[in-house]
Amino acid sequence: NAGVTQTPKFQVLKTGQSMTLQCAQDMNHNSMYWYRQDPGMGLRLIYYSASEGTTDKGEVPNGYNVSRLNKREFSLRLESAAPSQTSVYFCASNTGTGWYEQYFGPGTRLTVT
Amino acid sequence: QQQVKQSPQSLIVQKGGISIINCAYENTAFDYFPWYQQFPGKGPALLIAIRPDVSEKKEGRFTISFNKSAKQFSLHIMDSQPGDSATYFCAARSVIRGYQKVTFGTGTKLQVIP
Repeated sequence: NAGVTQTPKFQVLKTGQSMTLQCAQDMNHNSMYWYRQDPGMGLRLIYYSASEGTTDKGEVPNGYNVSRLNKREFSLRLESAAPSQTSVYFCASNTGTGWYEQYFGPGTRLTVT
Repeated sequence: QQQVKQSPQSLIVQKGGISIINCAYENTAFDYFPWYQQFPGKGPALLIAIRPDVSEKKEGRFTISFNKSAKQFSLHIMDSQPGDSATYFCAARSVIRGYQKVTFGTGTKLQVIP
């Protein structure tokens, strides 16, 4: 099992450009999440998908959109990138109910200039 | 608004010493408290977790202490090793509409020196 995979690993964008971060999991998990990690701020939830076909806003959703393409894939889109979106982005998944650990991907380091 | 407060931000410990990281929370809806470990360039990975009806949980050199009345919990790493050098995040879970949401602390960068 590959677990949670993310592409790309690194990306540099100019202000105003758009891009989509891809995430896939092969663990048959119901729930998937997008976080951003910034120095001194921990991990903050951007959006989550409790199950296939549903998405909800997290703590910091402004400037982002998501798509739960199927049970395996959950993408994060930046429509018009801003320097404030420079961050490391992590996708995670878990089974969704009860207590089950979240499994994280390796992250995407995004720089917006 | 930081719902889970973590300290210290960074910590340097000698090999063989005890590393202690503290966290505090306010939201009484939190019902599960995991700790995650993150190595540079990697995603966080679950290290150990505790329920609030338990005051202590130990796994190898890692121990969580939990004080429900004070709304505080801490991670103790005994006999710290250079391989423990990583960033540690405390977290707290709440269940919303049947789905679990995890709130993370701001992280502690631990360096264990030989």
